[in-house]
Amino acid sequence: DIQMTQSPSSLSASVGDRVTITCRASQGISNFLAWFQQKPGKVPRLLMHTASAVQSGVPSRFSGSGSGTDFTLTISSLQPEDVATYYCQKYNSAPLTFGGGTKVEIK
Amino acid sequence: QIQLVESGGGVVQPGRSLRLSCAASGFTFSSYAMHWVRQAPGEGLEWVALISYDGSNKYYVDSVKGRFTISRDNSKNTLYLQMNSLTAEDTAVYHCARDRGSSGFYTFDVWGQGTMVTVFS
Repeated sequence: DIQMTQSPSSLSASVGDRVTITCRASQGISNFLAWFQQKPGKVPRLLMHTASAVQSGVPSRFSGSGSGTDFTLTISSLQPEDVATYYCQKYNSAPLTFGGGTKVEIK
Repeated sequence: QIQLVESGGGVVQPGRSLRLSCAASGFTFSSYAMHWVRQAPGEGLEWVALISYDGSNKYYVDSVKGRFTISRDNSKNTLYLQMNSLTAEDTAVYHCARDRGSSGFYTFDVWGQGTMVTVFS
């Protein structure tokens, strides 16, 4: 099975900072990569699919890139409401594996 | 509005069974693949199972194969997860989620609030 590895596992940044989260697949998955945001006590929310296609309603400060095995989620200017855990997920085949998550906090 | 509402969770002893349900509304349920995803307390997300729009194809994570069965009743707009031989490792909040497509490999765009399953002796 393909493993998904996220880094870092947590980060602390200031409001307005540019934040980048990395997700690496153990084998190529083309662009079948999604990003989810889960705020504390809330249900996960789809941010991005197909590696870089932003889901409707997601702020423009969120962007995604990558293909094959290496992917990134970027928040161009971190806002207080972005405090959450972010998960990548591969979905080209079963099992639809999630990464371990990256917890983003405000410094 | 589009809504998924899970039910059926609870506290159960190891080795026992439980059936979860997920009632869908606000969209054409029979056109979409559906998933179950779980999250153990304080842990990350784990995909559990997938069923195609018509129920003809089903997939499971290895840790539940042979114990869990996903099914759906399109006439009732309801998704199910039959869980047998439960162990403490199955303790989690179980969410149903709608796939973006009909086959099941387009990731999830709608999530239910989840139902808690606790396996405890």
